[in-house]
Amino acid sequence: EAQVTQNPRYLITVTGKKLTVTCSQNMNHEYMSWYRQDPGLGLRQIYYSMNVEVTDKGDVPEGYKVSRKEKRNFPLILESPSPNQTSLYFCASSLELGTDTQYFGPGTRLTVL
Amino acid sequence: AQTVTQSQPEMSVQEAETVTLSCTYDTSESNYYLFWYKQPPSRQMILVIRQEAYKQQNATENRFSVNFQKAAKSFSLKISDSQLGDTAMYFCAFMKHSLNYQLIWGAGTKLIIKP
Repeated sequence: EAQVTQNPRYLITVTGKKLTVTCSQNMNHEYMSWYRQDPGLGLRQIYYSMNVEVTDKGDVPEGYKVSRKEKRNFPLILESPSPNQTSLYFCASSLELGTDTQYFGPGTRLTVL
Repeated sequence: AQTVTQSQPEMSVQEAETVTLSCTYDTSESNYYLFWYKQPPSRQMILVIRQEAYKQQNATENRFSVNFQKAAKSFSLKISDSQLGDTAMYFCAFMKHSLNYQLIWGAGTKLIIKP
């Protein structure tokens, strides 16, 4: 089954404790992206990647890092989480440059205390 | 800068009725895409329908159709014969034909289908 998976689905952590949210897709997609969703704000892009070893900042990259060492995986790293990073996070992927449909993972609910 | 506006924070209709969700956007681009995504209580983001700006014909997907008015920058979603499973948040999104294919999102409309 074609899908985008994220882990964990739920995470409660404390300020300053490094964490990683994994994202994996099995569709051989080149383009992957991370979003955060906050009430009343819709989704905002954090980082995106157009291919292996190619990543760039979105609208709200502060406090986040990403890597793309393999085509299928695009982890989101919070080196020192803070309470303002409490949010719902989505990973998305699409087939290639020029393809307009992004497929979303199930979301990760992160709470930073 | 591109913006997407959904003016209806919440709507509710009876099962089997038709409902229309509104969306307007602002852009100076001529080549772009528009989307409606559905987010049920499971929180997964599901693509409902998409529209290419260069196509004049309105997109349809089974019970879902759009009314795309390019000059007015309007992109409404019509759900016919609404079902209980249509209860969800609905987001309108805009993507310009640019390098990072960033999606610009509206704030969403909460749709409740009542039995």
